[in-house]
Order: sequence, then structure tokens, then C-alpha cells
Amino acid sequence: KQEVTQIPAALSVPEGENLVLNCSFTDSAIYNLQWFRQDPGKGLTSLLLIQSSQREQTSGRLNASLDKSSGRSTLYIAASQPGDSATYLCAVSGANNLFFGTGTRLTVIP
Amino acid sequence: DAGITQSPRHKVTETGTPVTLRCHQTENHRYMYWYRQDPGHGLRLIHYSYGVKDTDKGEVSDGYSVSRSKTEDFLLTLESATSSQTSVYFCAIRGTGAPSYEQYFGPGTRLTVT
Repeated sequence: KQEVTQIPAALSVPEGENLVLNCSFTDSAIYNLQWFRQDPGKGLTSLLLIQSSQREQTSGRLNASLDKSSGRSTLYIAASQPGDSATYLCAVSGANNLFFGTGTRLTVIP
Repeated sequence: DAGITQSPRHKVTETGTPVTLRCHQTENHRYMYWYRQDPGHGLRLIHYSYGVKDTDKGEVSDGYSVSRSKTEDFLLTLESATSSQTSVYFCAIRGTGAPSYEQYFGPGTRLTVT
């Protein structure tokens, strides 16, 4: 069974800092990997999707990388802002399912 | 938001009562999913559907049933609710952009079983 781990569970940084969130998974046979953002009491917003054949994807200040062979992905956030405060979830796709990590709760301090 | 709505958004019910949650989508997606989110477990798949009347079990399907009689609606039923089913339930659809198959999520239903 696919296991997805996100470290750290919580992270607090001052505004303007660049930061990296980590995701690891146990089975490299994935279709894709998605990063989501979840605000308290809200649903999930898809941030980036990396197909299994890709190494990275970029959207604005966000850059996600994928290393299937080592079972790792990182989400890089440049020049963090207080509005980036949320929980970030990593999910890897099997044939008919997404396997989720438990998330990293990010707080950006003004 | 991929045109996904969930109803009700909040519900409190008593142990032993039946509960049905509804997911509605407006974009004719073939694949639909029900997940539950619990502290310390992340999101876990309950059931999914790959077409009208075509459904299959996920990781945590015990105590739940689903139905899909129309493309746009996917219903999740708790036949006899238990306190362990207190959770936040999310519906999702799978986009049609092969091979990426990006999933998009609804706003969630917070269910409390007392």
C-alpha cells in the first residue's frame, strides 16, 4: 500500500523567506503527484500537478519537483507572504485513487 | 472550482440513523470520488465511480454505500451512522486531461454523529 509522508508537520517562517516543503512516498509506480492547498474549514485547491514523466512544474512563486526513483517531491515557495499561510497537502496518484500525506501547516509571519 | 457542489455542508445526526450526502457536478466528468478527512490520517478514499451505475470500493468503504444514477450526481449513504463516521467528507472529480488526470475537490460536508 502506498504511504505518503510529509515533513515537517508544521512550519513557521517570517514573511519574504523562501521555503521548501517535503513529500516522500513508498511506491514509485505513480501516475502523477499533486500538491494542494487547504485553508482552515475549506476544501482543497489544486496548486500543481507533476506527471510521472516530468521532473518539475512551476506556477508563479511555486515550483514543485519530482524524483520518482527516490520517492520524493518538494514544493518550493519563493518570497513567502502571509496569504500563503495554509496547510499544504501532497498526493500521489495510483490507477484509481489519490494517496494523501497528512500535510504541512505553514504559517507566514508578517 | 470545477463546478462541484456538496449538500448538505453541515449535518448533525444521531447514532443509528441513515444519512445521505450528495455531490453534484456540472461538467459531465466520468470519474467521481468520495473521501473522508480525519486528523492524523489525511484524506482517504471511501468509494469511487467511473460511470453511471459503475462504482467500486476504496480504502475505507465499510459502513458506506454509494449510488450514481446520473452522470452529475454521486450519493454517499451511511446506512446506520456511527460516531466513528464523524468526519469531513469531500467529493472529487477527475479531469479529462489525459494523462495527468488532475483531481478537483468540492467544498466538503462536515458530519457529526452524536
